[in-house]
Amino acid sequence: QVQLQESGPGLVKPSETLSLTCAVSGGSMRTYYWSWIRQSPDQRLEWIGYIYTSGRTNYNPSLKSRVTMSFDLSKNQFSLSLTSVTAADTAVYFCARDDTTGVIDHWGQGTLVTVSS
Amino acid sequence: DIQMTQSPSPLSASVGDRVTITCRASQNIKRFLSWYQQKGGKAPKLLISVASGLQNGVPSRFSGSGSGTDFNLTISSLQPEDFATYYCQQTYSTPYIFGQGTKLDIK
Repeated sequence: QVQLQESGPGLVKPSETLSLTCAVSGGSMRTYYWSWIRQSPDQRLEWIGYIYTSGRTNYNPSLKSRVTMSFDLSKNQFSLSLTSVTAADTAVYFCARDDTTGVIDHWGQGTLVTVSS
Repeated sequence: DIQMTQSPSPLSASVGDRVTITCRASQNIKRFLSWYQQKGGKAPKLLISVASGLQNGVPSRFSGSGSGTDFNLTISSLQPEDFATYYCQQTYSTPYIFGQGTKLDIK
């Protein structure tokens, strides 16, 4: 069974960069898209984007100028970088597996990131 | 972007009730609609994809229907473990947008 686990700082200062990593175990990373989704304090879910093992990415246009995703197949992990954060970026960040059609069939447990000085 | 609107929210019901949650898309998304269940601070769980495709292990009391712009998630007989928040998500085009969620609580 595929398992995903997020890691990274729980507190980031305004204007700095949020960086998270997702470790994947229990299955191959090939043939799937690997996604980031966040949930704001009002419980809304927002799709951030995905990366494929080829390195191809697809980002939400609302965040595209600040988002970078990367992949490390040798470590079975992928990462999210979000620059110039503000309080509006405070959320629980989930890493997840997309079956390549947009359907999210496996999720990490989520990690809370708070943006505050 | 395609907008997704769920109703009602919240929804109060009793064990044994039949409940329906509606999700409306701002444009035709054919049948590219998924439903997720989220409980108590945990990650969402995929229930249904492609409007009516029940995922392995999901109880048969859950069903999905609809196409185009209007979709339903129906629970035929509510069980105590079904009280949760439910989200729809369009997968017709990126950015993949989720509905705002429907919190199903005990009446």
